[in-house]
Amino acid sequence: DQQVKQNSPSLSVQEGRISILNCDYTNSMFDYFLWYKKYPAEGPTFLISISSIKDKNEDGRFTVFLNKSAKHLSLHIVPSQPGDSAVYFCAAIGGDSGAGSYQLTFGKGTKLSVIP
Amino acid sequence: DTGVSQNPRHKITKRGQNVTFRCDPISEHNRLYWYRQTLGQGPEFLTYFQNEAQLEKSRLLSDRFSAERPKGSFSTLEIQRTEQGDSAMYLCASSLVTGGYQDYGYTFGSGTRLTVV
Repeated sequence: DQQVKQNSPSLSVQEGRISILNCDYTNSMFDYFLWYKKYPAEGPTFLISISSIKDKNEDGRFTVFLNKSAKHLSLHIVPSQPGDSAVYFCAAIGGDSGAGSYQLTFGKGTKLSVIP
Repeated sequence: DTGVSQNPRHKITKRGQNVTFRCDPISEHNRLYWYRQTLGQGPEFLTYFQNEAQLEKSRLLSDRFSAERPKGSFSTLEIQRTEQGDSAMYLCASSLVTGGYQDYGYTFGSGTRLTVV
């Protein structure tokens, strides 16, 4: 049972435009959400996070929005750059996910391609 | 500190052989996690350590898998009698968790890619 879902396997965006990556979750006990970026042959790199008590968190070009009622979050990248091309994973923590509530539950990822 | 280090980067083994991977976490981190990633999937939790104590194992971790973290420093993940279904990227991550602080943004290593032939 996929508790964190990223329904778009891939996304292509022109350089300079906005990239919007979406993520849905089913476990209402999740209370912290993270986005990771992964380049080929490397491990995931933490990008940005948001607590369930907030609805928005911004860090430079990256903004994460959380809609708890819809169990939906999104990552906005503005402006998109070719170096942003990578696989983006949505992850969640909390509830009964184990590991002292520190276990990350990941989605399958969305491959972002930013076209110069 | 150069981050989380994993060795080897790649391992090809014949079915039925045993393999061992090593992870060196960030030195001041007290938690160490093992995840497995197969093609087209996100990383899946296997097990974690708080210092030297292994506190949780996933149902994905069959009895052929064993992990250790002696002295709360580096960790090893051993797979005995490997099967083709064990082929995956094995990721190690570490974080700092204290009474008053928790770092949710785990630092991952580059992983060990295992291919069982």
